[in-house]
Amino acid sequence: AQSVSQHNHHVILSEAASLELGCNYSYGGTVNLFWYVQYPGQHLQLLLKYFSGDPLVKGIKGFEAEFIKSKFSFNLRKPSVQWSDTAEYFCAVNTYSSASKIIFGSGTRLSIRP
Amino acid sequence: ETGVTQSPTHLIKTRGQQVTLRCSSQSGHNTVSWYQQALGQGPQFIFQYYREEENGRGNFPPRFSGLQFPNYSSELNVNALELDDSALYLCASSRGTEGIKHGYTFGSGTRLTVV
Repeated sequence: AQSVSQHNHHVILSEAASLELGCNYSYGGTVNLFWYVQYPGQHLQLLLKYFSGDPLVKGIKGFEAEFIKSKFSFNLRKPSVQWSDTAEYFCAVNTYSSASKIIFGSGTRLSIRP
Repeated sequence: ETGVTQSPTHLIKTRGQQVTLRCSSQSGHNTVSWYQQALGQGPQFIFQYYREEENGRGNFPPRFSGLQFPNYSSELNVNALELDDSALYLCASSRGTEGIKHGYTFGSGTRLTVV
């Protein structure tokens, strides 16, 4: 069965620090990959997505992610975080064999110290 | 454009009861998916409706059922509630299969507590 693993459950950083959140998925076929963000008290929002082409994708608010097929990874990065980046981040995958559903990881809570 | 709206926002039910949650999809969207998000977990896919037909189902028992109406709004029904059904229930909508390409638009969810 397909699954998504986010190994960092809670990350605490100071403002201006660099961020990298890990995401690994298990599926041997073609995948679409997503990062969603959930700010406190708000709904899930799409941060960025990968379908094909350049494995380095850029999203909103200065976030980017790199798809490394050989490692089944799709890590999220940001060079310099801000206090407003405090949120829960979810990696997700969709496969063509189960096109109707998105499989989410368990999430990483990011806390930024001002 | 209006987003996805869900009602009610919070709900408390007793074990064994039945509950109905409602979702209005974003304008122009005809696909609705339901997810269950337990505390400290990521959302888990329950099922999806496309043009009033179920279009995929996750690993949830039959007591979880749904409907989609001609205006593309949707209901999630849960019978014989169990304590483990306590969770945030999310509705997400998209235009046809564009949800796969662009991701879905999520609502803020209904927080269900079963006591």
